[in-house]
Amino acid sequence: AQSVSQHNHHVILSEAASLELGCNYSYGGTVNLFWYVQYPGQHLQLLLKYFSGDPLVKGIKGFEAEFIKSKFSFNLRKPSVQWSDTAEYFCAVNLVGRRALTFGSGTRLQVQP
Amino acid sequence: NAGVTQTPKFQVLKTGQSMTLQCAQDMNHNSMYWYRQDPGMGLRLIYYSASEGTTDKGEVPNGYNVSRLNKREFSLRLESAAPSQTSVYFCASSTGTSGSLEQFFGPGTRLTVL
Repeated sequence: AQSVSQHNHHVILSEAASLELGCNYSYGGTVNLFWYVQYPGQHLQLLLKYFSGDPLVKGIKGFEAEFIKSKFSFNLRKPSVQWSDTAEYFCAVNLVGRRALTFGSGTRLQVQP
Repeated sequence: NAGVTQTPKFQVLKTGQSMTLQCAQDMNHNSMYWYRQDPGMGLRLIYYSASEGTTDKGEVPNGYNVSRLNKREFSLRLESAAPSQTSVYFCASSTGTSGSLEQFFGPGTRLTVL
């Protein structure tokens, strides 16, 4: 079955630390890839997306992600986190030609001041 | 633009009661979706509608029905609520065209079934 795995369930960092959240998927075809963020009490917002082209994509608020096709991965990175980055982060994958997204289970990031 | 709106924001039901969650979008999107969010499980797709007049089952459709009333509105109905349906429900929409599957989410409905 197609799936999306986020291996880090809960990450605690201090401000200014670097962040990398893992995302792996098991689709065999061409995919579209997304990272969404959910701040406490809010709905999901798109951080960044990859459809094609440069595998290093930049999103909002200093986040970036790298698509490594050979590893079926789309890891999210930020060089220096802030307290305001405290949120839950979801990786999502869409198989090109299909309309639905499959989400990972999410990673809760807690940034300590 | 309001984007995607959902009503109600909160609801408490007793087992066996029915209710309808409402969703509307003002972005002229073709596709609409219903997800449920449970701790540690991310978002799981319940039903989606690729276009007005069509609906399809997602990953967890049992116990739910949907209606795509028109292009703007997509409702989710629980005919006989069960405690296992306690969750946060999110509606989303997208243009649905190839290469543009960014989904826009509503604020969610927190449902508790006693």
